[in-house]
Amino acid sequence: QSVLTQPPSASGTPGQRVTISCSGSSSNIGSNTVNWYQQLPGTAPKLLIYSNNQRPSGVPDRFSGSKSGTSASLAISGLQSEDEADYYCAAWDDSLNGLFGGGTKLTVL
Amino acid sequence: EVQLVQSGAEVKKPGESLKISCKGSGYSFTSYWIGWVRQMPGKGLEWMGIIYPGDSDTRYSPSFQGQVTISADKSISTAYLQWSSLKASDTAMYYCARREISSGWYYFDYWGQGTLVTVSS
Repeated sequence: QSVLTQPPSASGTPGQRVTISCSGSSSNIGSNTVNWYQQLPGTAPKLLIYSNNQRPSGVPDRFSGSKSGTSASLAISGLQSEDEADYYCAAWDDSLNGLFGGGTKLTVL
Repeated sequence: EVQLVQSGAEVKKPGESLKISCKGSGYSFTSYWIGWVRQMPGKGLEWMGIIYPGDSDTRYSPSFQGQVTISADKSISTAYLQWSSLKASDTAMYYCARREISSGWYYFDYWGQGTLVTVSS
């Protein structure tokens, strides 16, 4: 069981907006920032969002992140078929151990 | 261009030892922490530990402490993950990743391509 809790699956149709949640505690998300990674099938993870809501260069603005208290969310607007992937939230705990959520498999219907 | 290039796939027997590598290029290797992440077949990402090649300061996840050894050779810009006695349950894809810091907060910004380790008798 992961310390950060994500729904195992999510889905949407092209053009829709979908959100993926990530729930933690005061010792991880509550006191540190949240990062999101996208893992396309058969590839290495890729940084999607860092420091709660910052997009690295090259990541479309369709992707956005937010955090409130001990929870965070990833939103994808204008869903596209190429967004079909696994999405992981991540944070550091107060001992600077890295933590990942269990991952959410996004299906584009 | 920042790159992390990992060593190739390995097939080993239970009880054998193994050391896999992650070579960094395109940046100052000694100035960034390198982390290791495990992904078992069909499963999620697990943080294993992290090393600062500048002085070899190393931290382990409690789940992996004593199970693996993380090291680095800064002279050749390479980090390592090693096992002294593999088990079938070590079968997984292993990724290295560079840890960046921005405004005091950490994240993995560049990832290696992964090394598949298969342990089977």
